[in-house]
Amino acid sequence: DVKVTQSSRYLVKRTGEKVFLECVQDMDHENMFWYRQDPGLGLRLIYFSYDVKMKEKGDIPEGYSVSREKKERFSLILESASTNQTSMYLCASSPTSGRGGETQYFGPGTRLLVL
Amino acid sequence: GQNIDQPTEMTATEGAIVQINCTYQTSGFNGLFWYQQHAGEAPTFLSYNVLDGLEEKGRFSSFLSRSKGYSYLLLKELQMKDSASYLCAGQNAGNMLTFGGGTRLMVKP
Repeated sequence: DVKVTQSSRYLVKRTGEKVFLECVQDMDHENMFWYRQDPGLGLRLIYFSYDVKMKEKGDIPEGYSVSREKKERFSLILESASTNQTSMYLCASSPTSGRGGETQYFGPGTRLLVL
Repeated sequence: GQNIDQPTEMTATEGAIVQINCTYQTSGFNGLFWYQQHAGEAPTFLSYNVLDGLEEKGRFSSFLSRSKGYSYLLLKELQMKDSASYLCAGQNAGNMLTFGGGTRLMVKP
């Protein structure tokens, strides 16, 4: 059974704090993704990685960075949290098949509140 | 990315049929996914369409028209547990997904 886990379900941080969100997958997938989900806006891609130590900016990378030191782990970092980063953060992973049609598997999400 | 449009909310009655529509821009399009997301939970895969036509999976079916940039998800014999958000996502040639805002479906008794 496929599994993507995220380090926290709920997190409360103060403005200016450095925040780490961790994601681990046990499916040996090459690709990993970080999204944020906000009402009415759907899922928006922050960063993705298609291999260890590789990272690519998504649609909304400003204010975020990522780290992928091991294949199974993809971390999202908020260098200095701001109130507009209050959101649900979803991690996902998928294999690389070259055929298309490979679904992404999502973690349970981390609901972050920045005060 | 692609613009993905779907209705924000829909309401239907238990036992009925509901169709959730999704439109997208066709440039760079490779295929279309539908996900189900219950409140507070992760999205889960429902269907994938790459060719025109209808794909049926039990009570759920998904349709795609590539020329019209249009898809729908059809849910039959609605059950209360089908109350959830349904996410339409277009996949480009690089296997990246662009999501619509999601359609929140409320099933009433």
